[in-house]
Amino acid sequence: NAGVTQTPKFQVLKTGQSMTLQCAQDMNHNSMYWYRQDPGMGLRLIYYSASEGTTDKGEVPNGYNVSRLNKREFSLRLESAAPSQTSVYFCASSVSRASGNTIYFGEGSWLTVV
Amino acid sequence: RKEVEQDPGPFNVPEGATVAFNCTYSNSASQSFFWYRQDCRKEPKLLMSVYSSGNEDGRFTAQLNRASQYISLLIRDSKLSDSATYLCATAKETSGSRLTFGEGTQLTVNP
Repeated sequence: NAGVTQTPKFQVLKTGQSMTLQCAQDMNHNSMYWYRQDPGMGLRLIYYSASEGTTDKGEVPNGYNVSRLNKREFSLRLESAAPSQTSVYFCASSVSRASGNTIYFGEGSWLTVV
Repeated sequence: RKEVEQDPGPFNVPEGATVAFNCTYSNSASQSFFWYRQDCRKEPKLLMSVYSSGNEDGRFTAQLNRASQYISLLIRDSKLSDSATYLCATAKETSGSRLTFGEGTQLTVNP
């Protein structure tokens, strides 16, 4: 039972390099999210996708792009990495129900930009 | 001012103690409220949703005070396994998506 799977788990980038964080969920959820977590800042929403084909900015979208490739996959791209993007990135998914919904997180991707 | 604020702690308590965490939120439009638990270097996992009437799940009790805009989490008879960071979260939608998190409160339960 995979749930939300994100890759890579660890990555070191040089300033200016680009990379894409991949995320896939097998729970048939409509909504997907990318959060970053930094000490003293908590989890902050970067982008989210309410459904296949739609994406919207969250609290901290600058320096990132996303693609909702299909219902299962939601990728996060750093076009030109900066040290300020050193963080732990969590992908998540959820499904809306009348009773509310539960957000499920992936295991996280530790990114260091040097 | 952060939209969701928590005392970061750390809280160090002995086994069997009762510990309470508070969380305040500034956006009066918030509709849904949650407590998440996060173990070291792991992903957050939903501990419980918080309802206006208050709710209990075993040793855990969550309460919401809309007038004062805070939520609380009470852990009774704490166990070593309760050691973790506890994150409160709010959402503007009743469906509970697009969460805004506090920075978390670290709890260590000591033998």
